[in-house]
Amino acid sequence: KAGVTQTPRYLIKTRGQQVTLSCSPISGHRSVSWYQQTPGQGLQFLFEYFSETQRNKGNFPGRFSGRQFSNSRSEMNVSTLELGDSALYLCASSLGLGGPSTDTQYFGPGTRLTVL
Amino acid sequence: EDQVTQSPEALRLQEGESSSLNCSYTVSGLRGLFWYRQDPGKGPEFLFTLYSAGEEKEKERLKATLTKKESFLHITAPKPEDSATYLCAVQAPDSNYQLIWGAGTKLIIKP
Repeated sequence: KAGVTQTPRYLIKTRGQQVTLSCSPISGHRSVSWYQQTPGQGLQFLFEYFSETQRNKGNFPGRFSGRQFSNSRSEMNVSTLELGDSALYLCASSLGLGGPSTDTQYFGPGTRLTVL
Repeated sequence: EDQVTQSPEALRLQEGESSSLNCSYTVSGLRGLFWYRQDPGKGPEFLFTLYSAGEEKEKERLKATLTKKESFLHITAPKPEDSATYLCAVQAPDSNYQLIWGAGTKLIIKP
């Protein structure tokens, strides 16, 4: 079974630009969660989508948004980039059915975003 | 407030020197506790899920145990390739499908 894939793997942008990151979950998984990770920091939760609906949202500004398509693929968008947005962005997929066995998250390799 | 605390923040061991990492949690009604391994610049890799106090799971040199308030990840005779950051997360009944994450323990095994 193919794992979680993320594209692109690396991105360099300048302040003020916007960026879109993509995540394809494991086949059959309907939940996709997005995280931001900066050096020395733990995983900061951005949001979670389940069956095309945002089910949970973290404490990030409105510049961060996402969506999920009918095939469970998800995109994350960051508008008006700031230097502090430089980070590793991770997506994770799960069945998302509400129990620990179904909510085990499997992560993609991440997208490394650098904002200059 | 639901919280997960991992200790120590960093741990340096000699190859072959066994030790344990700690994950303590304050959630009401734990539904599951998860351990992950993360190599630099990569996504976390799932290791174990523990469901109830007293449960143990093993994988190669790693053994995870769970009590009512904490979990330990025991590393026996570690090798340099075990160097990584180990992350712990919990799921609580009121967490709305989400996992609550600890900050991780950075483990360095010196040859």
